[in-house]
Amino acid sequence: IAGITQAPTSQILAAGRRMTLRCTQDMRHNAMYWYRQDLGLGLRLIHYSNTAGTTGKGEVPDGYSVSRANTDDFPLTLASAVPSQTSVYFCASSAQGTGEAFFGQGTRLTVV
Amino acid sequence: QQQVKQSPQSLIVQKGGISIINCAYENTAFDYFPWYQQFPGKGPALLIAIRPDVSEKKEGRFTISFNKSAKQFSLHIMDSQPGDSATYFCAASMRSGGSYIPTFGRGTSLIVHP
Repeated sequence: IAGITQAPTSQILAAGRRMTLRCTQDMRHNAMYWYRQDLGLGLRLIHYSNTAGTTGKGEVPDGYSVSRANTDDFPLTLASAVPSQTSVYFCASSAQGTGEAFFGQGTRLTVV
Repeated sequence: QQQVKQSPQSLIVQKGGISIINCAYENTAFDYFPWYQQFPGKGPALLIAIRPDVSEKKEGRFTISFNKSAKQFSLHIMDSQPGDSATYFCAASMRSGGSYIPTFGRGTSLIVHP
């Protein structure tokens, strides 16, 4: 089934550890995004990529980094996790020129 | 600074009633306004969307009303059903390098009682 695959689905992480959230899409979409969802705050953009080889910062980029080596993959890395990064993380993608974003199932991350 | 303001935060409606969720934005560079529906444990999914050159778009029981001069838009769910119980997010998107980047409201939790 075409779509976006995120891994892991959930993770408990010790503070200070490094963690990479994986995101793969098979729709050949140009644009990809990472959002975090927190109760009462909605979905906030962390980083985005308009096309392979380019990335940009969103509303809440601090403490996160991304790379876009190819069209399909867009990993999100937490270099040194802190408890405030406890959240549900969603990866999304969209075809160039369209506004419809397709979301993955999310990764629930707890930093303790 | 909240770029997209959404209200109410929560909404309870009886089956068959009308659910109305409102959003407002400030940045006139936004030119695509989607609504997303999210069920527990799932990612958001596009429900309906509108561009600023039209004032209304209807798809089944779902209607977006758009007021460009007031920079406001709303989602109306007619004949609300228990299966509509979900969290709804409005978004406003602007172009960036050929892509649209959605900025989301904080969401509305809708409960439709049978």
